Amino acid sequence: SQQGEEDPQALSIQEGENATMNCSYKTSINNLQWYRQNSGRGLVHLILIRSNEREKHSGRLRVTLDTSKKSSSLLITASRAADTASYFCATLEDNQGGKLIFGQGTELSVKP
Amino acid sequence: EPEVTQTPSHQVTQMGQEVILRCVPISNHLYFYWYRQILGQKVEFLVSFYNNEISEKSEIFDDQFSVERPDGSNFTLKIRSTKLEDSAMYFCASLRASGGQETQYFGPGTRLLVL
Repeated sequence: SQQGEEDPQALSIQEGENATMNCSYKTSINNLQWYRQNSGRGLVHLILIRSNEREKHSGRLRVTLDTSKKSSSLLITASRAADTASYFCATLEDNQGGKLIFGQGTELSVKP
Repeated sequence: EPEVTQTPSHQVTQMGQEVILRCVPISNHLYFYWYRQILGQKVEFLVSFYNNEISEKSEIFDDQFSVERPDGSNFTLKIRSTKLEDSAMYFCASLRASGGQETQYFGPGTRLLVL
């Protein structure tokens, strides 16, 4: 299944602007997580939002989850050049230690 | 802060050769995973491992792949006879507990190139 599809695929903004990335999924989920990946590097966990939560904040990150629309958004406020990376959403369908299903990712470029 | 480690960081091998990718999960974690990411594509689940056995595997994880936790700390992925299409970044991940309130922590990855 095409779980966790992000849009846009690429986003280019100026430093100081906000960046919004969206993720859609198809099945019921236990939670949704956002990860960041610098070019060719590992995955860094950013934030986890459970299916019974609607919004969560962590520093400059704000994540929303709409289970009725099966969608989530990641907002990065006051972006910095160091935020340049690929951002992936990943969904967990069950709570039995199951697999994460990743989307294609959004490539964010923040220009100084 | 505890972290998942992986070795080697890069591996180049000839088609048909066996490779073993190694991971040391976070010490009090109970669930272990391998994922792979072909260049420019999304991260794909390969296999999950719990209580010393495979709990789930994807279609990618065919008979050429195997996993092992030989000594209570290492978690390995073996590819018996590598193919060109096995070239990818391989990530190990671990999870402390199920229930959906905790996150999987990923290692830095092993970049495998099959020639």
